[in-house]
Amino acid sequence: EPEVTQTPSHQVTQMGQEVILRCVPISNHLYFYWYRQILGQKVEFLVSFYNNEISEKSEIFDDQFSVERPDGSNFTLKIRSTKLEDSAMYFCASNLNRGYTFGSGTRLTVV
Amino acid sequence: AQKVTQAQTEISVVEKEDVTLDCVYETRDTTYYLFWYKQPPSGELVFLIRRNSFDEQNEISGRYSWNFQKSTSSFNFTITASQVVDSAVYFCALIPGDNYGQNFVFGPGTRLSVLP
Repeated sequence: EPEVTQTPSHQVTQMGQEVILRCVPISNHLYFYWYRQILGQKVEFLVSFYNNEISEKSEIFDDQFSVERPDGSNFTLKIRSTKLEDSAMYFCASNLNRGYTFGSGTRLTVV
Repeated sequence: AQKVTQAQTEISVVEKEDVTLDCVYETRDTTYYLFWYKQPPSGELVFLIRRNSFDEQNEISGRYSWNFQKSTSSFNFTITASQVVDSAVYFCALIPGDNYGQNFVFGPGTRLSVLP
């Protein structure tokens, strides 16, 4: 069964550093997403991406965040200058006709 | 506004008991999709079920069953004869509208502990 692959599974970074979280969506999917889950809390929508541009973003997705699909297979989330409160699990997802698939997540720890 | 409420924050049961996890949703859309996901301690989101707003039939899959009632905007999940491996956080989620690309609205989750 096709999978959404996220790397790394766990990343530790120092406050103020830039971090890039990587995702490989399912190849024929058209919509791509990033979600965030702060420890012990619910999963929150960050951004959706379609046709090489952002289609929707939440209020969490401020200027510190950016997304890119650099080569047609990868889908990345960049956090420019990490803060302690960016520590969370980040899930990538992709979708074709409402067949959603989540990756297994990247746990980001900002120290 | 779109919202999903899971009033039970934590539930503990003893193995073999039945347990029902409640989910109440809010949306103005007439077309929408409801989901349940399981999040075990390892952290990944495991898909359990998807139901669209036009299909009110209850569903049973092994020990799992779901009761969808539009009249009360509820989509409850029952585990029959619970097992220790069912211990996890369970999320109910909503995709409002008919747009293929619409994002999820998740509930806050219910942490289920099944004790041996």
